Amino acid sequence: AQSVTQLDSQVPVFEEAPVELRCNYSSSVSVYLFWYVQYPNQGLQLLLKYLSGSTLVKGINGFEAEFNKSQTSFHLRKPSVHISDTAEYFCAVSQPTSGTYKYIFGTGTRLKVLA
Amino acid sequence: EAGVTQFPSHSVIEKGQTVTLRCDPISGHDNLYWYRRVMGKEIKFLLHFVKESKQDESGMPNNRFLAERTGGTYSTLKVQPAELEDSGVYFCASSQATGAAKAFFGQGTRLTVV
Repeated sequence: AQSVTQLDSQVPVFEEAPVELRCNYSSSVSVYLFWYVQYPNQGLQLLLKYLSGSTLVKGINGFEAEFNKSQTSFHLRKPSVHISDTAEYFCAVSQPTSGTYKYIFGTGTRLKVLA
Repeated sequence: EAGVTQFPSHSVIEKGQTVTLRCDPISGHDNLYWYRRVMGKEIKFLLHFVKESKQDESGMPNNRFLAERTGGTYSTLKVQPAELEDSGVYFCASSQATGAAKAFFGQGTRLTVV
C-alpha cells in the first residue's frame, strides 16, 4: 500500500525567507509525485509534478521540488516566499497506470508567510 | 476554458437529512473523481468514473453514499441519511482519458452535518 507523510502541519516563515515543505512517501512500486496548493476559498491547484526524468522539477510561482528515490522524498522548496504564498500545500502520489490518477494525499502543510 | 465546478460551495444539514452534491467536470474529460477531506486529515479518494461507469469505488465509506454520472457528463454524490462524521470538504476532479494529464480540481463543497 502507498502512503504519504507530511510531517509539518504548519510552517511559519518570514517574507523573503526560503522555505522547504517536507514530503515522504512509501510505495513498493514506482509512483508519480505531485504537489498541490489550496489558497483560501479556492480549489486545489497543481504546483508541479514528477513523472520521470530529471529529479529536479520546477513548477509555478517559483516553487521547485526534488525527487529523491533513495530517501523516498519529494520536498518542496522556494528560495524566497511572498505573503501571497500563504496557503495549504498537499503532497500526493499516484500509480502510473494508464489514464487514471487516483491520488494518495498527505495531510497537508499550512504555510503561513509573515510580514 | 471553464474549470471543474462544484455546487453548492457550502451546505449545512441536520443529521438524518439528505444532501446531494454536484460536480461539473471540464468538458471532454472522461475521468471524474470524488475525494473527501475530513477536518485536519488527509484528502481521501472516494471513487472514480470513466464516462458514466464506476471504475473504482473502493473509497466509498458505506452504502449511505451514492454517486452517479448519468450520460457521462456531470456527477452527483448523494448522502442519505447524513451522519455527523460525514462532515468535511468534498472535492471533485477531472482529467483527460489518456496521457500524462493532470487532474483538475474543483473548489470543493464544505458539508457540515449538525
